[in-house]
Amino acid sequence: EIVLTQSPGILSLSPGERATLSCRASQSVSSNYLAWYQQKPGQAPRLLIYGASSRATGIPDRFSGSGSGTDFTLTISRLEPEDFAVYFCQQYGSSPRTFGQGTKVEIE
Amino acid sequence: QVQLVQSGGEVKKPGASVKVSCKASGYSFPNYGITWVRQAPGQGLEWMGWISGYNANTNYVQKLQGRVTMTTDTSTTTAYMELRSLTSDDTAVYYCARATGGYGGLEIDYWGQGTLVTVSS
Repeated sequence: EIVLTQSPGILSLSPGERATLSCRASQSVSSNYLAWYQQKPGQAPRLLIYGASSRATGIPDRFSGSGSGTDFTLTISRLEPEDFAVYFCQQYGSSPRTFGQGTKVEIE
Repeated sequence: QVQLVQSGGEVKKPGASVKVSCKASGYSFPNYGITWVRQAPGQGLEWMGWISGYNANTNYVQKLQGRVTMTTDTSTTTAYMELRSLTSDDTAVYYCARATGGYGGLEIDYWGQGTLVTVSS
């Protein structure tokens, strides 16, 4: 099973700042099948990025994904108030599919 | 528009079973799979398994093998997840979600609203 480790656990930033979130896999993710999801309290997750770098429908271009193999990054170029949430990465290149433990982006 | 509407919350005693439904609409049901994900209170996301909307092939996480059964009813475009021999560790919000792609599912592009299952004596 591929273990995904996200860092940092908590990221304290101000609106307008840049956020950089990391997701590291215990082994190479096949075909860069790596997604990022955003989850707000009391809500279901929302797909942001798939295939490591493709934005999902309706996702603002301040969200971008990069990386390959075992190291992936989600970047939020300028944080908006609605971006403060928890972010999860998920690999779907091998079974079982697995999620990272999450990074909370909080207002500093 | 794509919608996944789940059944309501459940309270179960240890050792019991629970069956959660997920009514899909707004897309061609056979063209996608349904993934089930759970989230214990204050915790992260756990992938439980996937079922094909086309032929009901399944792919379960090993730790739940023997306790979980995922099924579909194509006539009503509804997916079901049954979990047996419940313990307090199964207390969680259970999500159904639409998965693109083939066996096992690729990225999850739509999610249900979640169903809270509480296991308590």
